[in-house]
Amino acid sequence: QSVLTQPPSVSGAPGQRVTISCSGSSSNIGAGYGVHWYQQLPGTAPKLLIYGNNNRPSGVPDRFSGFRSATSASLAIAGLQAEDEAVYYCQSYDSSLSGSKAFGGGTKLTVL
Amino acid sequence: QVQLQQSGPGLLKPSQTLSLTCAISGDSVSSNSAAWNWIRQSPSRGLEWLGRTYYRSKWYNEYAVSVKSRISVNPDTSQNHFSLQLNSVIPEDTAVYYCARDTSVDGRLDYWGQGTLVTVSS
Repeated sequence: QSVLTQPPSVSGAPGQRVTISCSGSSSNIGAGYGVHWYQQLPGTAPKLLIYGNNNRPSGVPDRFSGFRSATSASLAIAGLQAEDEAVYYCQSYDSSLSGSKAFGGGTKLTVL
Repeated sequence: QVQLQQSGPGLLKPSQTLSLTCAISGDSVSSNSAAWNWIRQSPSRGLEWLGRTYYRSKWYNEYAVSVKSRISVNPDTSQNHFSLQLNSVIPEDTAVYYCARDTSVDGRLDYWGQGTLVTVSS
């Protein structure tokens, strides 16, 4: 059972916009800790996609954006492309765990 | 450009010790602004943070409660790498293990190693 809750799957057609939710609690997102998002393509390590709720590392297209409110966060992907098909994970700090980074269970995005 | 290169055996028997190394290029294990993490991923447990080491005038370690009695993460400044040791492994420790760097107070993991599949089986 992951500390952060994500839907197992979402889908969308090319060109559409999809959002992936990440639900937390008062010990993580609700405490004001930043939310980060990762994209994992098959057979590869997760790649940082969004950090600090809504910031993109260099090289990440502006089609990807992040939002945070209260105890939840979301990742939006606009103008879906076939290469966006991947598993997406949210991550934050959780004060109830020792030292620690909490992850969501991951959401598989299927581009129809 | 930071690169993390993992090495270590991929097959263990129950009760053995898992040992992995993560070689750092483009940064220093002794950096005052980075921390060096181990994370694992399995179908049953998803992504699970295991522990990290970092230097802020002295060395610190932090470990996940779930493995605290069995884990050790250590820096090696002469080789510019860090290592993971997990004692008394069981089949449930079977996973892909990743090393990763975090910087900044927000704890984002900005560089990852390539991953090592570790299988625990008799």
